[in-house]
Amino acid sequence: NAGVTQTPKFQVLKTGQSMTLQCAQDMNHEYMSWYRQDPGMGLRLIHYSVGAGITDQGEVPNGYNVSRSTTEDFPLRLLSAAPSQTSVYFCASSYSYARKSSYNSPLHFGNGTRLTVT
Amino acid sequence: QKEVEQDPGPLSVPEGAIVSLNCTYSNSAFQYFMWYRQYSRKGPELLMYTYSSGNKEDGRFTAQVDKSSKYISLFIRDSQPSDSATYLCAMPRDTGFQKLVFGTGTRLLVSP
Repeated sequence: NAGVTQTPKFQVLKTGQSMTLQCAQDMNHEYMSWYRQDPGMGLRLIHYSVGAGITDQGEVPNGYNVSRSTTEDFPLRLLSAAPSQTSVYFCASSYSYARKSSYNSPLHFGNGTRLTVT
Repeated sequence: QKEVEQDPGPLSVPEGAIVSLNCTYSNSAFQYFMWYRQYSRKGPELLMYTYSSGNKEDGRFTAQVDKSSKYISLFIRDSQPSDSATYLCAMPRDTGFQKLVFGTGTRLLVSP
């Protein structure tokens, strides 16, 4: 099992450019989410999805877009990159609370995408 | 005020030492308390979690929660160089382990 796979591992963008961070999981998890990790701020939730076709905003959604067309994939789109979006982005997945007790289903994280916006 | 506060460290200890890592939180609605470990250039992985107040032990690790003080701790006994990592406390915002509020993490360095 590959678990949660994020691509690319590193990316440098210029201000105003757009890009898509890819996330795929092979564990048949219903729930997927995106976090960003910044020094002194911890991990903060950007967007999440409880299943294909369903997405919702987290704490810091501005400047990001998501869609969930399949159970396996949950891409994060930066519409017009800004230096404030320089961060490490983590995708995470788990079984949904509706399917089984998620207290026994921890979030599985990918290894992150390191994004620099100049 | 952040909902979850954690000293960023780094905390440097010799191999074999007992390590104490701590978090404070402000939201009295939090019911579950989790500890994640994050190695350099990797994603966080769940170490253990506790419900409400009390202690929970798992091998060399003990998690402790004091809800009256809004204070949680992770103790590591007989620390090893392989324990060198960043330790993040986290609490779910609502039912389920999915929408988490994280502390900033404490970096631990265990020297041989």
